[in-house]
Amino acid sequence: GENVEQHPSTLSVQEGDSAVIKCTYSDSASNYFPWYKQELGKRPQLIIDIRSNVGEKKDQRIAVTLNKTAKHFSLHITETQPEDSAVYFCAAFRAGNMLTFGGGTRLMVKP
Amino acid sequence: DTGVSQNPRHKITKRGQNVTFRCDPISEHNRLYWYRQTLGQGPEFLTYFQNEAQLEKSRLLSDRFSAERPKGSFSTLEIQRTEQGDSAMYLCASSLLAGGNEQFFGPGTRLTVL
Repeated sequence: GENVEQHPSTLSVQEGDSAVIKCTYSDSASNYFPWYKQELGKRPQLIIDIRSNVGEKKDQRIAVTLNKTAKHFSLHITETQPEDSAVYFCAAFRAGNMLTFGGGTRLMVKP
Repeated sequence: DTGVSQNPRHKITKRGQNVTFRCDPISEHNRLYWYRQTLGQGPEFLTYFQNEAQLEKSRLLSDRFSAERPKGSFSTLEIQRTEQGDSAMYLCASSLLAGGNEQFFGPGTRLTVL
């Protein structure tokens, strides 16, 4: 089955700095890669996703890159703000299968 | 509220008791997923339905767990003879199309087994 590794497990940055979270996956058939943000006690919420036919996608301060050959994808948050503090999960999905999540990254943005 | 809803939000039970959770997906979403999330971990897949058909079950889903989606709308997850290791957040998600479309999560049911 699919295995998703996520690094780092915790990340502390100064407000205004950039944050990068990296994930690798094992199943080359996976074709959809969402990123979820989960605040304490709340549901995971999709913040950005990318499909395997695209190498990069950007939405305001958030961007995701995908390297299919190396089977890794990354989340980039620029100009971080205190409200970006949360746990971020990457995931991989193969058609006809289910989402496999990474272990999560706790991002702390210090004002 | 047109999002995914789950009930109850919290459940405290004694070991050995049975519990049942309900998930109401977004209207017209034909796929419904159940996940389990323990503190500090990512959600782990349990099972999913396409309409009323249960298409896949994780090996995490022991025979004490059963899920149904009888009319292809809401779903229930039952845990029989609960154990302390069942304590977790049980999340439901729904999506509109097969093939990796966005899954929308519910608020979850937090189960505590004493």
